[in-house]
Amino acid sequence: DGGITQSPKYLFRKEGQNVTLSCEQNLNHDAMYWYRQDPGQGLRLIYYSQIVNDFQKGDIAEGYSVSREKKESFPLTVTSAQKNPTAFYLCASSIEGRQDEQYFGPGTRLTVT
Amino acid sequence: GDSVTQMEGPVTLSEEAFLTINCTYTATGYPSLFWYVQYPGEGLQLLLKATKADDKGSNKGFEATYRKETTSFHLEKGSVQVSDSAVYFCALSGGSNYKLTFGKGTLLTVNP
Repeated sequence: DGGITQSPKYLFRKEGQNVTLSCEQNLNHDAMYWYRQDPGQGLRLIYYSQIVNDFQKGDIAEGYSVSREKKESFPLTVTSAQKNPTAFYLCASSIEGRQDEQYFGPGTRLTVT
Repeated sequence: GDSVTQMEGPVTLSEEAFLTINCTYTATGYPSLFWYVQYPGEGLQLLLKATKADDKGSNKGFEATYRKETTSFHLEKGSVQVSDSAVYFCALSGGSNYKLTFGKGTLLTVNP
């Protein structure tokens, strides 16, 4: 079955530590996205990548970093510079030219204490 | 910039009741409009979409009509079920074409 995998589902870290969230897709999609979801806030775009080895900042990129070394993978690192890292993180992907129709993974809930 | 405003929840209904969740938008040009659904603990799933004025998107008994004159895309279902309990997000994709702009979401709870 094709789809998007995010792991782990729940992640706990101490304040001051960097943490990397995994996102893998086997849909052969060119574009991939990271969103952050907070209660009552909807989804906000962190980073997106339209092609391997290229990515752009979204609306709330500060304190985050990404890489896109393979088409299938788009890991997100939440750094210690992110002031409020506790949130639900969603990864999405889309085919080339159809960035308006995105497919989402199941999400990772990150808790930083 | 682009924005989406949807009715605040939570919305609580009894099974078989009629559902309306209001959504209005602000965008330049002619955006595509979407409704996504998020079941508890899961990611988002595309529920339906409409790409031009007067288009009606429909899926699983839900429908929404793209109304350019009122800049609206209200979600409706004639008879909700307990399994429809979820958070519903209205979204648009504008000219930049690389991102979706989401509303804040509306929590729907359907009681038996």
